[in-house]
Parts: sequence; C-alpha cells; structure tokens
Amino acid sequence: EAGVTQSPTHLIKTRGQQATLRCSPISGHTSVYWYQQALGLGLQFLLWYDEGEERNRGNFPPRFSGRQFPNYSSELNVNALELEDSALYLCASSPDFYGYTFGSGTRLTVV
Amino acid sequence: AQTVTQSQPEMSVQEAETVTLSCTYDTSENNYYLFWYKQPPSRQMILVIRQEAYKQQNATENRFSVNFQKAAKSFSLKISDSQLGDTAMYFCAFMKVLTGNQFYFGTGTSLTVIP
Repeated sequence: EAGVTQSPTHLIKTRGQQATLRCSPISGHTSVYWYQQALGLGLQFLLWYDEGEERNRGNFPPRFSGRQFPNYSSELNVNALELEDSALYLCASSPDFYGYTFGSGTRLTVV
Repeated sequence: AQTVTQSQPEMSVQEAETVTLSCTYDTSENNYYLFWYKQPPSRQMILVIRQEAYKQQNATENRFSVNFQKAAKSFSLKISDSQLGDTAMYFCAFMKVLTGNQFYFGTGTSLTVIP
C-alpha cells in the first residue's frame, strides 16, 4: 500500500512569491491534514480537509490556504511568502479521527 | 488552550540501555488522546505509541511503554533495550476528542543511541 506522498521534496522561493505544495493521501483516506514544522519548534496545525471541505484551521494568516480535490488529494498554497515561512510542511491522512499517517514533507525555503 | 511541554531538548543513551523521555501537558479536557511520534532523518513522522485518557492501564508496544499520570498531566515514554535505529526526534502530542482532529505537539526531544 502506498503511503502519503508529498511533492515536491524541496522548494525554494523568493520572498513575495507563491508556493504550492501537494499531497496524495493513502487510498481510502478521506481526511487530509497540513502541519508546519519550523526549525526548533514542534508541528503546528495548519488545515484539515475532509470530503472536499475545510473542517478546521489553525492560527495562521489567510495567505495560507488550500483545497481538497474529488480524489482526496490536497494542495497547500502559501501566498506572499515571508522568510519565516521557511519550514518543513507535513501532510497526513487518516480514515478516522486519530489514525494519522504522515508523509515525508516538503522543505520550503524562502530567500 | 492545550500546551505540550518536552523539557529535554537532547538525550543520549547507550545501546541496549533504557531511557525515559518526559512530557507534560496542560488541558481542561477530560477526554483526549496522547501520542508519541518518532521522526528519523527521513522526516516522516512515525507513530510509536498512543494512550486513551480514559484508560488507566499504561500502553505498551514491544520495547516502548508509557507512564501515564493523568492527575499530574504527565506522559513519559520509556524505551527499553535501545537500538541504533531508535536515534530520532521524539515528539509528544495531544489530541482532544471530537473537536477538530488536530494534534498539539511538543517541541521534541532529540535522542541519540550510542553504540
């Protein structure tokens, strides 16, 4: 069974640009979660999508947004990039409310 | 608000020895779950063990066990017979039941197993 896949593995952007990160959940998992892991910090909850709808949102500005497609894959968009957006972005999927499986993340570097 | 505190940024242990990682949390909730996740250099978060708050019995998974003290809001992880493959960042996490499905993570403990 394929795990949660994220692309790209690494992404380098210039301040002010937009970044798009992608996540494919495990087959059969309808929920997708996005977390930000900044250096020296634990994971911070960003977004939860289920059945195509945004179900919950963490304490992040509106320039962090996303969507979930009919096949349950998801995109995370970060607009107007700032240097402090540099972090590892982890996606997870689950078939229920605590059976998370994480991907290996996208390392976003803003220069 | 929920907070999770891991007070040991770094720890080391000799191979085959036992090590305990500490975690405390703060919540007013009564129904919740606690987790330990491992993050090796591959970056993928791997579930080590989880505990339902309503269960008094401490969870165990092979060489991994927890000491769950609900009144003290403490949730430590014990790794027995440490192996080189246990070298990783370990994160303690808390999840409320039925509200948003989000984890609250601690800042992690970097564990190094020394051969």
